[in-house]
Amino acid sequence: QSALTQPRSVSGSPGQSVTISCTGTSIDVGTFNYGSWYQQHPGKAPKLIIFDVSERPSGVPGRFSGSKSGNTASLTISGLQAEDEADYYCCSYAGSYTYVFGTGTKVTVL
Amino acid sequence: QEQLVQSGAEVKKPGASVKVSCEASGNILSNYYIHWVRQAPGQGLEWMGMFNRGFGITANRGHDSTAYAQKFQDRVTMTRDTSTDTVYMELRSLRSDDTGLYYCVRGASLDRPIAAAGTFDFWGQGTLITVSS
Repeated sequence: QSALTQPRSVSGSPGQSVTISCTGTSIDVGTFNYGSWYQQHPGKAPKLIIFDVSERPSGVPGRFSGSKSGNTASLTISGLQAEDEADYYCCSYAGSYTYVFGTGTKVTVL
Repeated sequence: QEQLVQSGAEVKKPGASVKVSCEASGNILSNYYIHWVRQAPGQGLEWMGMFNRGFGITANRGHDSTAYAQKFQDRVTMTRDTSTDTVYMELRSLRSDDTGLYYCVRGASLDRPIAAAGTFDFWGQGTLITVSS
């Protein structure tokens, strides 16, 4: 159950788009279409922003979108805003009733 | 109103055990998977295990079921107090690297497939566990 691989950091200017990758294997990300993404601001609990690969919970802005190709899930933030500066984590089912998070990505708004 | 209220911070010595409680209101235990996720200082999220009332092999609601991450398999136990709708997470043989914030988290509805159960949409306030000699 190794953590899913995410880039350590990504950055962009306000209004730009950034994409965070989440690479797993054929036994987790590649097999199941229930991956999720979480946003965590410093000192706060994580917040669900994407579930079932590409679905947004009520209240999450439309600039957040998710997708998957093969063993890699992706989170795109379009029209980056200052409040999007945070840590982001992906998560996937890993079989045998277990789940695994990604290593986490720090998004910096320049 | 749905809530997940966790017990307060604790300081433990290496080798000791800790038991963190999570009081779930609003019929959460009856309808959802409950997970425990931890976060070491400055580190990422780590899934520890799951508790629910019936899933998987038996798919039999009303029977307590658990599943643990392999890393914690030998040291963690998740249980429920039936009289108070409180879930407990006990971690034994504590080490300094167990220091961190422990979250009780609501997962998906029990009606969803097990692969979707790890959709963590509601988090407790977290319990800080410090392991130090």
